[in-house]
Amino acid sequence: GQQVMQIPQYQHVQEGEDFTTYCNSSTTLSNIQWYKQRPGGHPVFLIQLVKSGEVKKQKRLTFQFGEAKKNSSLHITATQTTDVGTYFCAGLNFNKFYFGSGTKLNVKP
Amino acid sequence: GAVVSQHPSWVICKSGTSVKIECRSLDFQATTMFWYRQFPKQSLMLMATSNEGSKATYEQGVEKDKFLINHASLTLSTLTVTSAHPEDSSFYICSARSGTVTGELFFGEGSRLTVL
Repeated sequence: GQQVMQIPQYQHVQEGEDFTTYCNSSTTLSNIQWYKQRPGGHPVFLIQLVKSGEVKKQKRLTFQFGEAKKNSSLHITATQTTDVGTYFCAGLNFNKFYFGSGTKLNVKP
Repeated sequence: GAVVSQHPSWVICKSGTSVKIECRSLDFQATTMFWYRQFPKQSLMLMATSNEGSKATYEQGVEKDKFLINHASLTLSTLTVTSAHPEDSSFYICSARSGTVTGELFFGEGSRLTVL
């Protein structure tokens, strides 16, 4: 079945350091979305990537979709304490979204 | 943005009883809703796709007789955990999308079920 793997599982950084999480799918994806879930909260949509090789930026966040549309990454530059949470990628396949295992980011002030 | 409401937020029940969780799209019509299960510190596992006016489609390994899904209207889907057991204790979360198949998912607040 559909599998979306994500690494690392956890990341602890000092405030100001960069952070990257990687997402890999066993199958080619129609598109990929990224979500952030704060502790105790529900996932909140961040962005969607559709095109092969696509790169999108949101302030300090940079999202990439691989050429083969099987992998993606989220990079945060100069992390802040407000970036704390778990970041999930979600791949669309057969009209359903399958979530990656998530990367929990902790930022020390 | 679009709002999805889920109720109850948490529920404690005795083993053997059934529990119903509601998921409502408050300001848009959702022909498709998704039910996920999330274990502590883990990802969201897709359980089933709820289709308005038709039967839900379940993911492999999810018992359809155990987790009954009804999508009677364009704004309401319900998940009933039947004859609940302690291993059913989990965080259940619904999501809905408005518009296109590739549109973003709007999540409910989630329901934490504890079965004693």
